[in-house]
Amino acid sequence: NAGVTQTPKFQVLKTGQSMTLQCAQDMNHNSMYWYRQDPGMGLRLIYYSASEGTTDKGEVPNGYNVSRLNKREFSLRLESAAPSQTSVYFCASSPGDRYEQYFGPGTRLTVT
Amino acid sequence: GENVEQHPSTLSVQEGDSAVIKCTYSDSASNYFPWYKQELGKRPQLIIDIRSNVGEKKDQRIAVTLNKTAKHFSLHITETQPEDSAVYFCAASRYNQGGKLIFGQGTELSVKP
Repeated sequence: NAGVTQTPKFQVLKTGQSMTLQCAQDMNHNSMYWYRQDPGMGLRLIYYSASEGTTDKGEVPNGYNVSRLNKREFSLRLESAAPSQTSVYFCASSPGDRYEQYFGPGTRLTVT
Repeated sequence: GENVEQHPSTLSVQEGDSAVIKCTYSDSASNYFPWYKQELGKRPQLIIDIRSNVGEKKDQRIAVTLNKTAKHFSLHITETQPEDSAVYFCAASRYNQGGKLIFGQGTELSVKP
């Protein structure tokens, strides 16, 4: 089992460019999550999908969109990247409410 | 919405000493409290969790205590070892919110040999 995988590992964008971060899990988990991690601010939830076919906003959704493509895949899109979106992005999955979340290896994104 | 405060932000201990990290939360309906460990350059990984019907939980050298009245919970690490050096995050969530976790800001623990 690969667990949770994310692509790409690193990305540099110019302000205004768009991109999609991909996440996939092979654990048959119902729920998936996108977080961003900035120094001194912990992990902040961007969007989550409690089950296939549903998505909800987290703490910091502005500037992002998500798609739960199927049970395995949950993508995060930046339509017009801004320097404030420079961060490390983690995808996670979980069997459901109040269970362990398994994190992917992260994507380090720099917006210049 | 839920807010989780974590203290201290940095903690340095000698090998063999105990370490305690504290978190407070604002939403009295929160009922699941996990702790994650993140080593440098790695992904966060769950080390222990507690649900609101339990006051304390232990797993070898790690324990978590929960005080629902005061809305705070703590991580206790005994007999610390250099490999315990990492950033530790507490988090809180409510039932029936899709597992939505709100994290504390993190504590960087350094264990000196």
